[in-house]
Amino acid sequence: GQNIDQPTEMTATEGAIVQINCTYQTSGFNGLFWYQQHAGEAPTFLSYNVLDGLEEKGRFSSFLSRSKGYSYLLLKELQMKDSASYLCAARSMDSSYKLIFGSGTRLLVRP
Amino acid sequence: EAQVTQNPRYLITVTGKKLTVTCSQNMNHEYMSWYRQDPGLGLRQIYYSMNVEVTDKGDVPEGYKVSRKEKRNFPLILESPSPNQTSLYFCASSRGGGSIYGYTFGSGTRLTVV
Repeated sequence: GQNIDQPTEMTATEGAIVQINCTYQTSGFNGLFWYQQHAGEAPTFLSYNVLDGLEEKGRFSSFLSRSKGYSYLLLKELQMKDSASYLCAARSMDSSYKLIFGSGTRLLVRP
Repeated sequence: EAQVTQNPRYLITVTGKKLTVTCSQNMNHEYMSWYRQDPGLGLRQIYYSMNVEVTDKGDVPEGYKVSRKEKRNFPLILESPSPNQTSLYFCASSRGGGSIYGYTFGSGTRLTVV
């Protein structure tokens, strides 16, 4: 089967650090993506991991453990504009190359 | 500017009235796909296309059709819309199915079927 799990909502304070977890079970795995989506808008690409370890991009980092079927997105120095939904997606290994999305984690950043 | 353009952004229609949502990309991407997004269910793939004249079903294809006659365009057709097709729809494209950048998404089409 295919399943992506992530928390529904999280709240954090401006300037703080937050970690959003994602666990996945897919029949074949070909990379893990994180997207940011503001309400009513298109998802935008944040990060991609295909090998185990941490990928850092400015304030955002993403980690992958393939053996555990686990990823997290780390957001540092939170800003109010980081309030959005964060979508975890695993890419299928079959010919569709489809991204299988979790339901998203809604992050609220408070002053 | 590199982008995926969907039209219309908002559409309210009645049950059974055929409609088409257009999608066009200017990045010369081979791979295009349609997703619907519903609360609590996340994004689910409807159809995808690996290249011109090559299309296939995703996870929720019932009630939808697509065509890929040109590389840049990938319209979504609802022959007889029903209320359960009320949703937020996204078109997406990528350089190839295995691109490390994943998809570029269009701005979305919010469809209401009454």
